[in-house]
Amino acid sequence: NAGVTQTPKFQVLKTGQSMTLQCAQDMNHEYMSWYRQDPGMGLRLIHYSVGAGITDQGEVPNGYNVSRSTTEDFPLRLLSAAPSQTSVYFCASSYRTGGRTEAFFGQGTRLTVV
Amino acid sequence: GENVEQHPSTLSVQEGDSAVIKCTYSDSASNYFPWYKQELGKGPQLIIDIRSNVGEKKDQRIAVTLNKTAKHFSLHITETQPEDSAVYFCAATERLGTYKYIFGTGTRLKVLA
Repeated sequence: NAGVTQTPKFQVLKTGQSMTLQCAQDMNHEYMSWYRQDPGMGLRLIHYSVGAGITDQGEVPNGYNVSRSTTEDFPLRLLSAAPSQTSVYFCASSYRTGGRTEAFFGQGTRLTVV
Repeated sequence: GENVEQHPSTLSVQEGDSAVIKCTYSDSASNYFPWYKQELGKGPQLIIDIRSNVGEKKDQRIAVTLNKTAKHFSLHITETQPEDSAVYFCAATERLGTYKYIFGTGTRLKVLA
């Protein structure tokens, strides 16, 4: 049972570099999302998608792009990395049933921007 | 939009004692309140949740209570064990039928043996 797979687990970038964080799920969930986790700030929503071809912004979208060409994949792109983007990034996929919504999180990507 | 506050930020208890974590939310339209547990080096995992039409829900040693009037909900862990040590997050959905969560800032629970 793979669930939600994120790659890479660790990454160091130089300021100004770009990169893509990969996220894939095998549960056929329509909804996927990206969060960043910073000390004392909990989990903040960056971008989300309610299905293939549909994306929208969360609380902290600046500096990030997403796309959703398939149900399975939801990559997060950092356009020009900044030290303020040093964080742990989590991808999640969710399903809803009976008024409940359960999110399944990946293991996270720890990103350092120097 | 929704805002969720969580207290305390850290909590230490002796093994066997109870732990209580509290959250407040701002949007009276929020109707679903999950709790997630995050162990070191892992992603958060759902441990219990409650819908707005229910006042309390239990699952073995954990329970969640909801006070809609006061707009707060709490996680209760009884007979704590070392494996309960983790970071716990509360969350609220923004509005009816949405998948979007607004998370609290987390509580680091340490269970002392």
